[in-house]
Amino acid sequence: DTEVTQTPKHLVMGMTNKKSLKCEQHMGHRAMYWYKQKAKKPPELMFVYSYEKLSINESVPSRFSPECPNSSLLNLHLHALQPEDSALYLCASSQAFGKNIQYFGAGTRLSVL
Amino acid sequence: GESVGLHLPTLSVQEGDNSIINCAYSNSASDYFIWYKQESGKGPQFIIDIRSNMDKRQGQRVTVLLNKTVKHLSLQIAATQPGDSAVYFCAEKVQGGSEKLVFGKGTKLTVNP
Repeated sequence: DTEVTQTPKHLVMGMTNKKSLKCEQHMGHRAMYWYKQKAKKPPELMFVYSYEKLSINESVPSRFSPECPNSSLLNLHLHALQPEDSALYLCASSQAFGKNIQYFGAGTRLSVL
Repeated sequence: GESVGLHLPTLSVQEGDNSIINCAYSNSASDYFIWYKQESGKGPQFIIDIRSNMDKRQGQRVTVLLNKTVKHLSLQIAATQPGDSAVYFCAEKVQGGSEKLVFGKGTKLTVNP
């Protein structure tokens, strides 16, 4: 089983809203990732958690706040987003950070109005 | 970084033909490469990977070739099927770097029946 589950699949929010994206895996992976993907572009890394600790923040604006409550769960809290933040947000996991194959979820399609 | 790129943004083939998707990289310190397939509305799906100490690796209907001399990677798909229609991304990891994957721009493969 190489399943990474993301909820919700679609999300529409206003610029003053607060929302959260959720990601779950039960493969025993200890590294989890958030990527942002704009249309017709490759995924861009946002955050990496390794053993539930934030390892990489790719200079992401503070309106995006990641959280890793335990080794199976990864959240992305959203607040005061801008329309240009509209994108597909992908979660991935791997056995460990740098242990190479990352398995992706289907993503959350976010629209900011 | 944008060291990973693709020669052709789109590729159209007939069903049953073999497909070759190319990828150029510029960082000679990259030690690991991976191909992903992304279908419309889905997250990237792992296809095949290869380490820099190898020149070729085969999977089911797919072969990855690595030419370190010219920093070139290719994905060959045998007997291409309509279900192979997707965007294909190569990604690299730099040895001794941040351990993150850097994705190329992607090639859209269309298989005509």
